[in-house]
Amino acid sequence: SQQGEEDPQALSIQEGENATMNCSYKTSINNLQWYRQNSGRGLVHLILIRSNEREKHSGRLRVTLDTSKKSSSLLITASRAADTASYFCATATNQFYFGTGTSLTVIP
Amino acid sequence: GAGVSQSPSNKVTEKGKDVELRCDPISGHTALYWYRQSLGQGLEFLIYFQGNSAPDKSGLPSDRFSAERTGGSVSTLTIQRTQQEDSAVYLCASSLNRQYEQYFGPGTRLTVT
Repeated sequence: SQQGEEDPQALSIQEGENATMNCSYKTSINNLQWYRQNSGRGLVHLILIRSNEREKHSGRLRVTLDTSKKSSSLLITASRAADTASYFCATATNQFYFGTGTSLTVIP
Repeated sequence: GAGVSQSPSNKVTEKGKDVELRCDPISGHTALYWYRQSLGQGLEFLIYFQGNSAPDKSGLPSDRFSAERTGGSVSTLTIQRTQQEDSAVYLCASSLNRQYEQYFGPGTRLTVT
């Protein structure tokens, strides 16, 4: 069964606003990763957070991880139209599971 | 350096025919993954290769699907007797090992008519 589930499924915001996406998972993990996908093609890795980390930053991205709640969030600050894409969380255990994704639309 | 490449980029085949999809991972990456993504859906794990270990085939949907990885590098995903429900984008990814970030190829869009 799928491990990661993103929430919301779709999100539409104005340019300049912040976007927050959440990911929940079911079992213990080694790390959790966030990916971005444009145009239904290959995914691009954004950020990896290990199970012993609680927060990580990369540019306008901020990821948090709460292992007690088995959840993670991805915050994109000061969004741009170019951030429009689908965002997936992926959990690494003995296997690698991707969630169903959040479709983000940033309106110029 | 070169990223993950996949060929062909698009494949249209008739129902019942066999197809082979190819993946060239990043040099030095020991882990290689195949995924399937239907329109508007998430990624469905198919198979995972790690070095010389036996592959994890737990995601293959039926015995019509098989994959091999020769010499720890190039991988081929074979779908025999294709069905219309096999239509999807097939994505390959590689990573240094299981726990590291994955680098994806552009995918092969398979259409079974």
